Amino acid sequence: DAKTTQPNSMESNEEEPVHLPCNHSTISGTDYIHWYRQLPSQGPEYVIHGLTSNVNNRMASLAIAEDRKSSTLILHRATLRDAAVYYCILMLGGTSYGKLTFGQGTILTVHP
Amino acid sequence: KAGVTQTPRYLIKTRGQQVTLSCSPISGHRSVSWYQQTPGQGLQFLFEYFSETQRNKGNFPGRFSGRQFSNSRSEMNVSTLELGDSALYLCASSLEDGIYGYTFGSGTRLTVV
Repeated sequence: DAKTTQPNSMESNEEEPVHLPCNHSTISGTDYIHWYRQLPSQGPEYVIHGLTSNVNNRMASLAIAEDRKSSTLILHRATLRDAAVYYCILMLGGTSYGKLTFGQGTILTVHP
Repeated sequence: KAGVTQTPRYLIKTRGQQVTLSCSPISGHRSVSWYQQTPGQGLQFLFEYFSETQRNKGNFPGRFSGRQFSNSRSEMNVSTLELGDSALYLCASSLEDGIYGYTFGSGTRLTVV
């Protein structure tokens, strides 16, 4: 499985934007970039995914570098409920068969 | 729509016993995956089922097994429980290939004493 590298932790203030980086220099052409987050005492939650182009949804935006070797999850206005562990995961399109390889993720702390 | 439902939420078992955990996926989702989460190892993939067939398996001993029924509900079984099996067991469901994301349940917290 291709590997991702994320900072261990990041901090933000409430209502400020948060940019969570992820490096994936060994990404292959068919790997999708997925982001999940896990709030305390809950299962992981899907946030967003992309292949080559930047993506937006109601939760966040995903900015993908032109060479696809890195990506950034953007939370436009952090709230206290966004405090969680954020995982950047590469998923081989069509043949992952349920397997998501979770790393250590980034622990996001949001200050009021 | 209803989310992924895992039962029971909490379970305490004795070493050497066996345990069965249940997962009901989102309606229409045919793929069900299982994960083990521990503080030391993080989230690790156990196996995945699609249309009652195991399509993928992680690196766990044979004591860990699963199955899927025709209505896509899934069960996982752990036999001869060890202390190290204490963990949060998570189930996730998706449409066929998971490209659009997996939906996780809240998990079953298993404690082996």
